[in-house]
Amino acid sequence: NAGVTQTPKFRVLKTGQSMTLLCAQDMNHEYMYWYRQDPGMGLRLIHYSVGEGTTAKGEVPDGYNVSRLKKQNFLLGLESAAPSQTSVYFCASSAKTATQPQHFGDGTRLSIL
Amino acid sequence: AQSVTQLDSHVSVSEGTPVLLRCNYSSSYSPSLFWYVQHPNKGLQLLLKYTSAATLVKGINGFEAEFKKSETSFHLTKPSAHMSDAAEYFCVRMDSNYQLIWGAGTKLIIKP
Repeated sequence: NAGVTQTPKFRVLKTGQSMTLLCAQDMNHEYMYWYRQDPGMGLRLIHYSVGEGTTAKGEVPDGYNVSRLKKQNFLLGLESAAPSQTSVYFCASSAKTATQPQHFGDGTRLSIL
Repeated sequence: AQSVTQLDSHVSVSEGTPVLLRCNYSSSYSPSLFWYVQHPNKGLQLLLKYTSAATLVKGINGFEAEFKKSETSFHLTKPSAHMSDAAEYFCVRMDSNYQLIWGAGTKLIIKP
C-alpha cells in the first residue's frame, strides 16, 4: 500500500536555485495539500488543490507555486530558493468530505544554503 | 481567529503511567477535531478523530480523547504509557473551509 509518496526525501539547494517536489497518491483522493513544518510550530499550509486542474493558496504561499495536472500528482515548485525556505515539506491527500482525515507522505527535508 | 492551543510543549512520563496531552480550541461551532502522531523522521499518522458523534473517541494504540464543548477542550489520554509512544503529538481542527488548523505539537517523552 503506497498511499502518499513524496520524492525526493532529502535535497540541498543553493540560494537562487529552483526545484520541484513531487507528491503522488494512489487512493483516488480529490484533495491534496502541501505543508511546511518548522521547529516549534505546527504544520502550515502552503497551497492546496480540491481537484485536478485547480489550486489555491494556503497560509504561507509566497515563494512557491503548484500544479495539479493529474489527479494523482501534486507538484510544489520553488522558483528561486531562499534560506527561509529551509524546512520539512509534507504532502497530504484526503477524500472529498469534511470529516475524512488527511493521509500524509513521509516528508521531504529541504536545506537551502 | 480560529486556533488550536496545545498547552504543553513537552510532557514526560514514566513507562506504565498515564498520559495526558492537553488541547484547547477556539471555535464558534463544534468543529471536527483530530489527533495526529509523528515519530522521529517520519510522516504523520492519524490517531483519532471527533466528528460530532460520541464525545469520547477511541483511537489506535490505546489512545482516546474526550470532546468537552463547555471547556473547548479535546485532551488526549492513555492509561499506561509504552516506550513506543515517544513521539510528537499534534492536535488539529478543521475550519469552515475544510482546511486543517494545527497546534504547535507536544513532545511526549517516556522514561524507563
